[in-house]
Amino acid sequence: GNSVTQMEGPVTLSEEAFLTINCTYTATGYPSLFWYVQYPGEGLQLLLKATKADDKGSNKGFEATYRKETTSFHLEKGSVQVSDSAVYFCALGFTGGGNKLTFGTGTQLKVEL
Amino acid sequence: EPEVTQTPSHQVTQMGQEVILRCVPISNHLYFYWYRQILGQKVEFLVSFYNNEISEKSEIFDDQFSVERPDGSNFTLKIRSTKLEDSAMYFCASSASRSRAAPEQYFGPGTRLTVT
Repeated sequence: GNSVTQMEGPVTLSEEAFLTINCTYTATGYPSLFWYVQYPGEGLQLLLKATKADDKGSNKGFEATYRKETTSFHLEKGSVQVSDSAVYFCALGFTGGGNKLTFGTGTQLKVEL
Repeated sequence: EPEVTQTPSHQVTQMGQEVILRCVPISNHLYFYWYRQILGQKVEFLVSFYNNEISEKSEIFDDQFSVERPDGSNFTLKIRSTKLEDSAMYFCASSASRSRAAPEQYFGPGTRLTVT
């Protein structure tokens, strides 16, 4: 079946540090890939997405590139801020059916001054 | 900005009781979903709903679960006889269309269900 694997958290960084959160997937076919973010007390918000191989999704300084050859979609940001502290979820989805999303376990990011 | 809302934010119930979790999807959306996240585990798909019918359901979504769109705005998840293992955060989501690529799903803040 389809699955998403994310690096374990929590990840603790100092402000302005470089962020990488690893995400790899297993899927039959060619899914679309997503990063969702959950700030404390809030719902899941779509951060970025990529719908085909070699696409780069970007938003708010975050970016991720859909790598079919390594089945990966790693999230990166060049300089994190305290306000980026949240839980980040990698997910995949297909067209057809109910368009369900398959999520990873989430990675908590803590950014300190 | 339109958003998905869910009520209540926290529900405590006794084992064997029925609970109804409520969601108001974004008003022009056509597709509705429920997911759950048991503490420390993955966000899991439960069910998707379109045109007043279930489109797809997971193996978790057994006969104890049901969904309904009782009016033009609400989307509910009912658990008929709760079990301890139903304790989780339940997320509602909606999307506008099944685009050729998987559509963006917009999530509510979740309802934390605690079964005692």
